[in-house]
Order: sequence, then structure tokens, then C-alpha cells
Amino acid sequence: DAMVIQNPRYQVTQFGKPVTLSCSQTLNHNVMYWYQQKSSQAPKLLFHYYDKDFNNEADTPDNFQSRRPNTSFCFLDIRSPGLGDAAMYLCATSGSTGDNSPLHFGNGTRLTVT
Amino acid sequence: GQNIDQPTEMTATEGAIVQINCTYQTSGFNGLFWYQQHAGEAPTFLSYNVLDGLEEKGRFSSFLSRSKGYSYLLLKELQMKDSASYLCAVLDSNYQLIWGAGTKLIIKP
Repeated sequence: DAMVIQNPRYQVTQFGKPVTLSCSQTLNHNVMYWYQQKSSQAPKLLFHYYDKDFNNEADTPDNFQSRRPNTSFCFLDIRSPGLGDAAMYLCATSGSTGDNSPLHFGNGTRLTVT
Repeated sequence: GQNIDQPTEMTATEGAIVQINCTYQTSGFNGLFWYQQHAGEAPTFLSYNVLDGLEEKGRFSSFLSRSKGYSYLLLKELQMKDSASYLCAVLDSNYQLIWGAGTKLIIKP
């Protein structure tokens, strides 16, 4: 089945220690998104790629970076995680932007910062 | 600013009907989505409305009134597995997705 896969499902990192979360998709979608979601809150868009074009949200901290080496893979790098970065990180894809394509989410990576 | 309002939490009984409301104030409107999110899992797509009226899909229906900035999700014949959060999200004039914080639905036997 075509899908969006995130690894790992749970990630524990130490305060200040860089961590990378990964996402892959078999849907061949042009757009890949990274969201941060804290408990009982709305998902917060960090950035998205349309093909190789990177789009950063204005309020996304510099601590968060992303790479998309090819259509299928996208990475979220947190350079120096703080306690406030503990959250669920959701990767999503869509066929396009500028239309009503629904998002297809991966299962998320729950990040704990110790 | 842009705003989506949903009740924080609702409780309903197995087999009953529940309506989850969503009101929105956004810069433009290009449709409204409902997603279901079980605890610790990713959101899954339920419905999309862009025209006024009711869209029925099995036990779930979604209603939209653009003039009132209002939508609801109606769940019938509730099952225990329907216990989840239900997120309302609106596409604004720039096709940016504005999310509500979600309504946590608790189903009791």
C-alpha cells in the first residue's frame, strides 16, 4: 500500500544533542510537510517542500532544519533540542499545494528530550 | 487573525449520536477538512466540504455553512473505537491549512 512512513516511532534525545527524524513516502507526492504537535494542541506547520523548493514558516525557529534529498525522503534536523521541543512530529504529503488535496500523514515520531 | 474554535472535549454514549461543532474566521475560504486522530497517532482524513450543505459518508456526516463560518461533524451509531480527537482545518485564501486544536471525544459504554 502507498503510504507515509516515519522513523523512529519514539525518539529520546538529550538536551542539546542533535537529532534527526526521517520520513519516506511511496505516494510519489510533490509536497512534503513537517508539523509539530504538542498535547491537545493543533498541529503547527514548521516547513514544507514543493519538490525541491523549501518553504519555511516565519515563526519556525532556526534550531529546526530540513532536507529533502529526493522525492521519497525528507528529514527533520533539530540542531540543539530543548525541553520545549518535546512533541509529536508529523510528516505529511500531498499531491499539490494551491488546491484541496487532503494531507496524508505518517504515524509520527514522539520526541522526548531529557 | 485567523481562528478556528472547537469544544475541547465531549462525552457521548455508545450507540448514540454526537455533533462536534467548528467555527472559523479566516482570510478567505477554500474548503474545510475534518480529520480523526487517535491518541498517539497521526490524523487521518475524514471529510472535505467547500459548498454549503451536508455530506454524508457512512456513519459520519459533515455540514458546512460558509455564511456563518460554521461546520459540524455528525457521528451516528457511536462505537468505542470512535473515541479520538477530531480536528477541524480550513484552507484559507492562500491555500494555507489553518488547524483547530481538536475536540477530544470520549465514548462511554
